[in-house]
Amino acid sequence: GQNIDQPTEMTATEGAIVQINCTYQTSGFNGLFWYQQHAGEAPTFLSYNVLDGLEEKGRFSSFLSRSKGYSYLLLKELQMKDSASYLCAVLDSNYQLIWGAGTKLIIKP
Amino acid sequence: DAMVIQNPRYQVTQFGKPVTLSCSQTLNHNVMYWYQQKSSQAPKLLFHYYDKDFNNEADTPDNFQSRRPNTSFCFLDIRSPGLGDAAMYLCATSRGQEVEEQYFGPGTRLTVT
Repeated sequence: GQNIDQPTEMTATEGAIVQINCTYQTSGFNGLFWYQQHAGEAPTFLSYNVLDGLEEKGRFSSFLSRSKGYSYLLLKELQMKDSASYLCAVLDSNYQLIWGAGTKLIIKP
Repeated sequence: DAMVIQNPRYQVTQFGKPVTLSCSQTLNHNVMYWYQQKSSQAPKLLFHYYDKDFNNEADTPDNFQSRRPNTSFCFLDIRSPGLGDAAMYLCATSRGQEVEEQYFGPGTRLTVT
């Protein structure tokens, strides 16, 4: 079966750095997405990785290792507004998005 | 601004009473998706359309139907809502069916009483 694993919840302090991990087992791989979802709102796109390595976009970076079936989202200089769920999703061989359940990130002052 | 619009944002229906949720897009995207998302769970894909080609996920209950009368609009019909159908329903679009990010509407939160 297809499976995406990410921690259910993480807590971090304002101004700090946090890394949210995602491991996946899917039928084929055509890229990995990270989305941010604030409570009661729709997901919004953060990043897309299809090649191994680190993609940096402002305070957010995303890393991929295809051989390990592993990705992480790195958030720097955390702000209170970063409190949200972060969803990892993999595009499989049929170009279907397989979603993780999301990691709820709680930021404390 | 080009966007994905869902109406209503909050919908309350009675057990067994048919309900229709609507989605429209001004992005002129070919693909439209309907997801069901329950609290703290991953979005679950119900249907998607590539243009007018309808794709039903294997485990989508028969109680759920969808229509896409034109490029801009898509509807989700729940014929006989049960208590287990209470959820957030998300509409999303993408330009193509392959490697494209999906753009989500704000969602409709459905309550079944």
